[in-house]
Amino acid sequence: DGGITQSPKYLFRKEGQNVTLSCEQNLNHDAMYWYRQDPGQGLRLIYYSQIVNDFQKGDIAEGYSVSREKKESFPLTVTSAQKNPTAFYLCASQNVDEQFFGPGTRLTVL
Amino acid sequence: SQQGEEDPQALSIQEGENATMNCSYKTSINNLQWYRQNSGRGLVHLILIRSNEREKHSGRLRVTLDTSKKSSSLLITASRAADTASYFCATDATGGSYIPTFGRGTSLIVHP
Repeated sequence: DGGITQSPKYLFRKEGQNVTLSCEQNLNHDAMYWYRQDPGQGLRLIYYSQIVNDFQKGDIAEGYSVSREKKESFPLTVTSAQKNPTAFYLCASQNVDEQFFGPGTRLTVL
Repeated sequence: SQQGEEDPQALSIQEGENATMNCSYKTSINNLQWYRQNSGRGLVHLILIRSNEREKHSGRLRVTLDTSKKSSSLLITASRAADTASYFCATDATGGSYIPTFGRGTSLIVHP
């Protein structure tokens, strides 16, 4: 059963804490992406990776970090430097032109 | 920066009616895609139209592309309550690696 999984579905964080969002895919896709979505808004690109051990900043990378040590995994860390981290985070992988999305993680900062 | 912008922002119709939403973009593209998002979920790919195509159909979906006007439309015919969702267009600019850029979406509500 191929697809993209994200965990956890809901995440609560205290101010000043770093948290890591998981994204795993078994679709054998090279490219993976992280997006942030705020209420009533579109998707804004945080980071993307087109190959293992390489990644690039997107439009809103400040306060976030990623790693791509394995093809299947692209975790996103939301650091304490991110001033307004409460949002819905979506991970995607890509096959040629089409993106496949995970179910998302809703992060709330308390 | 957002390349595509959907219009209208919100659309409310009755079941059985057609729903039309539009997407405008700024720079030349290789292709344009439409995605659907149910509330609180990930996006699902609906249809892709390439820059050399003018119209594509998939079931009850009809997409048109006018590269001279830098715009696309998504038509959902005979809408159903289950079509209630947000719809996004995504474009990739020519001249580089495919990095899709999403608009803000159209929120569609279909009343039973």
